[in-house]
Amino acid sequence: DAGVTQSPTHLIKTRGQQVTLRCSPKSGHDTVSWYQQALGQGPQFIFQYYEEEERQRGNFPDRFSGHQFPNYSSELNVNALLLGDSALYLCASSYARTNEKLFFGSGTQLSVL
Amino acid sequence: SQQGEEDPQALSIQEGENATMNCSYKTSINNLQWYRQNSGRGLVHLILIRSNEREKHSGRLRVTLDTSKKSSSLLITASRAADTASYFCATGAPGGSEKLVFGKGTKLTVNP
Repeated sequence: DAGVTQSPTHLIKTRGQQVTLRCSPKSGHDTVSWYQQALGQGPQFIFQYYEEEERQRGNFPDRFSGHQFPNYSSELNVNALLLGDSALYLCASSYARTNEKLFFGSGTQLSVL
Repeated sequence: SQQGEEDPQALSIQEGENATMNCSYKTSINNLQWYRQNSGRGLVHLILIRSNEREKHSGRLRVTLDTSKKSSSLLITASRAADTASYFCATGAPGGSEKLVFGKGTKLTVNP
């Protein structure tokens, strides 16, 4: 039973560029959440997708957008990258009917130069 | 913004000792969860306690919740070197936990 998988594991971009991160949820899960974790901090909620729609959003600018596909996988897009976007981006999946415990992927480490 | 605040920020103990970490939060919650993170990678769910529960056990883990003080504690008994990690508390809001709000974490080091 595959857990949550994220790709790529590492990414280096320059300011102003755009990036797409990908996530496949754990088998049987239908909800995907994205978190940003800066160095030395706890994860901060970006948004959550369920039934291909954004269900809730954290305090992140519109440069951060996402998508969920019919197979429940998800993408996180960040436009016009800033140095401050450098962080570990974590994807977490859950099952909507018991939407409490999250299963996390290993994350994508994004460095913006 | 962070909801929870873990205390202490860092803790160093010897193998076999107990480790206690505390978490305080600000608003009403539906549940409180503890997660572990090794070397800045993915988080692993440890235990969930609901707002109407006061104590919960899972193996060597014991979690308490005091909603009147808006605080929780995580006790790891008979610690092992493999317990070395960062530990985060996360709160789910009433009415549904579409998002979890995490604290800044406690970095635990267990020395062999």
